[in-house]
Amino acid sequence: EAQVTQNPRYLITVTGKKLTVTCSQNMNHEYMSWYRQDPGLGLRQIYYSMNVEVTDKGDVPEGYKVSRKEKRNFPLILESPSPNQTSLYFCASRSGGLQETQYFGPGTRLLVL
Amino acid sequence: AQSVAQPEDQVNVAEGNPLTVKCTYSVSGNPYLFWYVQYPNRGLQFLLKYITGDNLVKGSYGFEAEFNKSQTSFHLKKPSALVSDSALYFCAVYSYNFNKFYFGSGTKLNVKP
Repeated sequence: EAQVTQNPRYLITVTGKKLTVTCSQNMNHEYMSWYRQDPGLGLRQIYYSMNVEVTDKGDVPEGYKVSRKEKRNFPLILESPSPNQTSLYFCASRSGGLQETQYFGPGTRLLVL
Repeated sequence: AQSVAQPEDQVNVAEGNPLTVKCTYSVSGNPYLFWYVQYPNRGLQFLLKYITGDNLVKGSYGFEAEFNKSQTSFHLKKPSALVSDSALYFCAVYSYNFNKFYFGSGTKLNVKP
């Protein structure tokens, strides 16, 4: 089954404690993205990757890092989480074609205390 | 600036009545337009898209959307709403110029029996 998986689905942490949210897709997609969803703001792109070792900032990259060492994986790293990073995070992937839609993971709900 | 607007935070309709969820956009270049649906505790699911061709596109679950270039709108419609259609709906626009997706803030659809 074609899918995007994220782990963990729920996470409670404290300010400053480094964390990683994993994302993996099994569709051999070139493009992968991370979004955060906040009430009234919709989805905002954090980072995206066009292929292995190619990443770029989205609209709200501050406080986040990513890496793309393998095509299927695109982890999101919070080196020093802060309460304003409490949010719902989605990973998404799509093939390179412009007509292709994005496929979203189930989401990771993060609470930073 | 690129933007997508969903002017209604919430839309309430009675089951069996037609529904419309509005979306307007401001994106340079030819836009690629999408609608996604999000059920509670789930990721976004693709409903339909407009790339080129007929202005009226049909998608999943009986939904359709009409692209209006002069009004820069892409409203989502369904002739007869179901209670199970109750969810959060997002309009998204892909900008070829910027190689990224822009999302609206979402519209909560409530269908009452």
